[in-house]
Amino acid sequence: KQEVTQIPAALSVPEGENLVLNCSFTDSAIYNLQWFRQDPGKGLTSLLLIQSSQREQTSGRLNASLDKSSGRSTLYIAASQPGDSATYLCAAPMYSGGGADGLTFGKGTHLIIQP
Amino acid sequence: DADVTQTPRNRITKTGKRIMLECSQTKGHDRMYWYRQDPGLGLRLIYYSFDVKDINKGEISDGYSVSRQAQAKFSLSLESAIPNQTALYFCATSIGNEQFFGPGTRLTVL
Repeated sequence: KQEVTQIPAALSVPEGENLVLNCSFTDSAIYNLQWFRQDPGKGLTSLLLIQSSQREQTSGRLNASLDKSSGRSTLYIAASQPGDSATYLCAAPMYSGGGADGLTFGKGTHLIIQP
Repeated sequence: DADVTQTPRNRITKTGKRIMLECSQTKGHDRMYWYRQDPGLGLRLIYYSFDVKDINKGEISDGYSVSRQAQAKFSLSLESAIPNQTALYFCATSIGNEQFFGPGTRLTVL
């Protein structure tokens, strides 16, 4: 069964910095990995879904990469803004494949961008 | 209008009460999921459904039941609520390999 770990658990940086959030997973026989954003007391917003064939996916200032061989994914945030402050969650398919049987989530990285 | 809606958004109940959480979606997705989120434990899967006739247990299904009334509706029931079921509950839908989440229901069991 999949296990997902996110490092660091918390991160505080000044506005304008580029930053990298890390996610590692144990079962590399997956087709994709998904990154979410969660604001306090709110639901999860899907940021990026990376297919294993893509290796990278970009949306605005966000870029996510996936390296199945090493069991790692990274979320890169360029030119961070205070509005980026949130908890970022990484989720991988619970079992080998595409995640139809559910996702396993990391515990998240709590990000604070200081104005 | 939101694509995935959950009702109620907040609920306080007492130990032993039966409670139902409802989820509706307008996305037309066949797959639906219920997760719970606890501080320090992350999100965990309770039940999932591929269609109205296909219901599957997740990793923490004990104490819960579900009903898929239609493609668009998936309800989660706590038959006899207990305090350790206090959590934030999320419904999600899926198409392809991407999941989309509702706003959550904050449940407190006293």
